[in-house]
Amino acid sequence: EAAVTQSPRNKVAVTGGKVTLSCNQTNNHNNMYWYRQDTGHGLRLIHYSYGAGSTEKGDIPDGYKASRPSQENFSLILELATPSQTSVYFCASGDAQGDAEQFFGPGTRLTVL
Amino acid sequence: SQLAEENSWALSVHEGESVTVNCSYKTSITALQWYRQKSGKGPAQLILIRSNEREKRNGRLRATLDTSSQSSSLSITATRCEDTAVYFCATGGGRALIFGTGTTVSVSP
Repeated sequence: EAAVTQSPRNKVAVTGGKVTLSCNQTNNHNNMYWYRQDTGHGLRLIHYSYGAGSTEKGDIPDGYKASRPSQENFSLILELATPSQTSVYFCASGDAQGDAEQFFGPGTRLTVL
Repeated sequence: SQLAEENSWALSVHEGESVTVNCSYKTSITALQWYRQKSGKGPAQLILIRSNEREKRNGRLRATLDTSSQSSSLSITATRCEDTAVYFCATGGGRALIFGTGTTVSVSP
């Protein structure tokens, strides 16, 4: 049974609209991460969290907010979506920082028109 | 800038052949991980090799680590079509892993 799930799996949004991507993990991991994946850039860290109530900025946080209301759930929020945010977004969870293995969800393909 | 980077964009082999993906990194590390991402899926860890290890095996996979040249390799022997994927190396960046851009390995019948 999948330990990290994401919803929706596909999303089409309009420029200027609000988009919320959701992630749920059953690994009981403290750390959760949001990445975006674009051709030529690999996986880039947007936001991460050390536990419920905490969110931290990653390498490319501009235009994104994050919310961690519980151990299991971590959301990525695009308040005003732009076409440049068209990408595939991955959520991951991990037991610790640094070198710990990360467990990824299946991804959400977001298209902003 | 990437802390870790694969050295090839894409590699193609036939089933049964071996293939090696190389990775170079820029800082001192405590460990390096290799991940595989199949089409439409999220990445999944294959091997974690620590800085005091020179080689690590997992079935048909063999990872090496050379801290003096700051490089690592992942070899796959007896390749199968299902090994077709993007392979990433990743190193600890303090707060999260930092991934290379990936090498696409295509295995044809």
